[in-house]
Amino acid sequence: DSGVTQTPKHLITATGQRVTLRCSPRSGDLSVYWYQQSLDQGLQFLIHYYNGEERAKGNILERFSAQQFPDLHSELNLSSLELGDSALYFCASSVVKGAGQETQYFGPGTRLLVL
Amino acid sequence: GEDVEQSLFLSVREGDSSVINCTYTDSSSTYLYWYKQEPGAGLQLLTYIFSNMDMKQDQRLTVLLNKKDKHLSLRIADTQTGDSAIYFCAESIVEAGNMLTFGGGTRLMVKP
Repeated sequence: DSGVTQTPKHLITATGQRVTLRCSPRSGDLSVYWYQQSLDQGLQFLIHYYNGEERAKGNILERFSAQQFPDLHSELNLSSLELGDSALYFCASSVVKGAGQETQYFGPGTRLLVL
Repeated sequence: GEDVEQSLFLSVREGDSSVINCTYTDSSSTYLYWYKQEPGAGLQLLTYIFSNMDMKQDQRLTVLLNKKDKHLSLRIADTQTGDSAIYFCAESIVEAGNMLTFGGGTRLMVKP
């Protein structure tokens, strides 16, 4: 158990709908990263938040957005869902160690199926 | 752009050593990671190495880094059936914000 929790574990929805994925980082971790794992694209970085502020964006669609709240949990919002959004969505929280190294610990993921 | 590549599949017999290979893009300040993913599970961090190191050993795991060839390998000694999983190497560049760039994963199958 990494200490990172994600809910829900599974989500089935229809095209055009909107869903919210939730992530609670490990106690004390200020950073939350979101990644998408799909069969065709592999594991891709979406977005990074640090202590409530957006720090970096990766291959995140405009239909997707995220935020990190004062209690440091994060939510990933996916809207106008398409079949191709079906994937496993991971969040990871991290602690900064020496020389700029961050160890990212991953949650169990949310499996999204868009029908 | 960044590109991390791995071979797709490796099959070994129980008790043998497994060597999983990865190539990565170079940077003056790079950390390289190995993660393990079992079916239906998340990513478990196995080990990591900084790009100025050549080798790191942690129990049954040995990481070798050839910086000249941008080649990283993970050796698992005395491979067990419980080691069957997908192994991902990943690169993070300190100056670029530390997000992870993953390879496509290597599926390790351990035969009894």
